[in-house]
Amino acid sequence: KQEVTQIPAALSVPEGENLVLNCSFTDSAIYNLQWFRQDPGKGLTSLLLIQSSQREQTSGRLNASLDKSSGRSTLYIAASQPGDSATYLCAVRRVGNQFYFGTGTSLTVIP
Amino acid sequence: GAVVSQHPSWVICKSGTSVKIECRSLDFQATTMFWYRQFPKQSLMLMATSNEGSKATYEQGVEKDKFLINHASLTLSTLTVTSAHPEDSSFYICSARDFAGGTYEQFFGPGTRLTVL
Repeated sequence: KQEVTQIPAALSVPEGENLVLNCSFTDSAIYNLQWFRQDPGKGLTSLLLIQSSQREQTSGRLNASLDKSSGRSTLYIAASQPGDSATYLCAVRRVGNQFYFGTGTSLTVIP
Repeated sequence: GAVVSQHPSWVICKSGTSVKIECRSLDFQATTMFWYRQFPKQSLMLMATSNEGSKATYEQGVEKDKFLINHASLTLSTLTVTSAHPEDSSFYICSARDFAGGTYEQFFGPGTRLTVL
């Protein structure tokens, strides 16, 4: 069974700092990996989707990388802002379309 | 991107009653939808996969008689929590699968907060 772990569980940084969130998964047979943002009591907002054949994806201040062989992905956030405060979830999708979600990283950006 | 809606966004009910949650794909047709449950400070757990016109596939440990899923059309799936109890209180999120640009992608609804008194 696929297990997805995110480290750290919580992170607090001052505004303007660059930061990295980590995601690891146990089964490298994935279809793709997706990073989501979840605000308190809200649903999921998709941030970046990386196909299994890709190494990274970028969107604005966000960059996600994927190393399928080692079972790792990172989400890099540049020049963090208070509005970035949220829980960040990574999810891996197997060929059978089932999503396995990570445990999440709760990010707080201090003004 | 594609939009998925859920209704209601929150519901409070008495123990023993049944609650229906709707999930709609607004601008695409979804042959497959998924239902997730999220307990406080925990991640999303897949409950079941809903396929249009056929029975849902439930994950291990999820009671199919308690969580009734109906996917009667290509844009609507419903989850009915029967005889709800306080331990069913949770955040329920659905997602719908769209095939666009040569790849499948899942889009998530905003979630439904269920509180059972």
